[in-house]
Amino acid sequence: EVQLVESGGGLVRPGGSLRLSCEASGFPFSTYWMHWVRQAPGKGLVWVSRINTDGSITSYADSVKGRFTISRDNAKNTLYLQMNSLRAEDTAVYYCARVYWNFDFWGRGTLVTVSS
Amino acid sequence: QSALTQPRSVSGSPGQSVTISCTGTSSDVGGYNYVSWYQQHPGKVPKLMIYDVTKRPTGVPDRFSGSKSGNTASLTISGLQAEDEADYYCCSYAGSPWVFGGGTKLTVL
Repeated sequence: EVQLVESGGGLVRPGGSLRLSCEASGFPFSTYWMHWVRQAPGKGLVWVSRINTDGSITSYADSVKGRFTISRDNAKNTLYLQMNSLRAEDTAVYYCARVYWNFDFWGRGTLVTVSS
Repeated sequence: QSALTQPRSVSGSPGQSVTISCTGTSSDVGGYNYVSWYQQHPGKVPKLMIYDVTKRPTGVPDRFSGSKSGNTASLTISGLQAEDEADYYCCSYAGSPWVFGGGTKLTVL
């Protein structure tokens, strides 16, 4: 059974940092591009970042470029999102998703709240 | 990286058909056949309903269909059922980034 389990969310002050993790199981993790998508409370889905199979290619939405870093450890079947200089507008549920030209499987998400 | 444009809401009665549009540009929807649609019930995880513009994943009813003309993609749901009431999002590859639509709330009257 395919599983994606996010963790690492929580309450953080503006300007702070958090590291999200997404542990994958039930499929060959190292063969999939992986993405992060976020959803602010009551709002729509917004693409955040992606990483290729070996971690050598990454892309970011303009809103997080320079502040967020995506990475992966294929030996641990885990995807990461390092989030620095957090802002109130980064408050959202962060989903990791497996992608092969479509987002065919999503984790349950982890809530990040940026507030003083 | 502008969001794709979707109507905020659509509605229909059980048994009727509804179509949700998703308008982008030649850099996303019009430029690639990697348009997908997602259904999200309140508090739930998004579910893939249509991929590659017209294809349905295993298990998705054939009441759901997708199409594209130029820079606009569409999701049609025929034979509306109560359980179809949800938010629907389109998504397109746009070169390096991906882009989602703003979402459409479907109400089954």
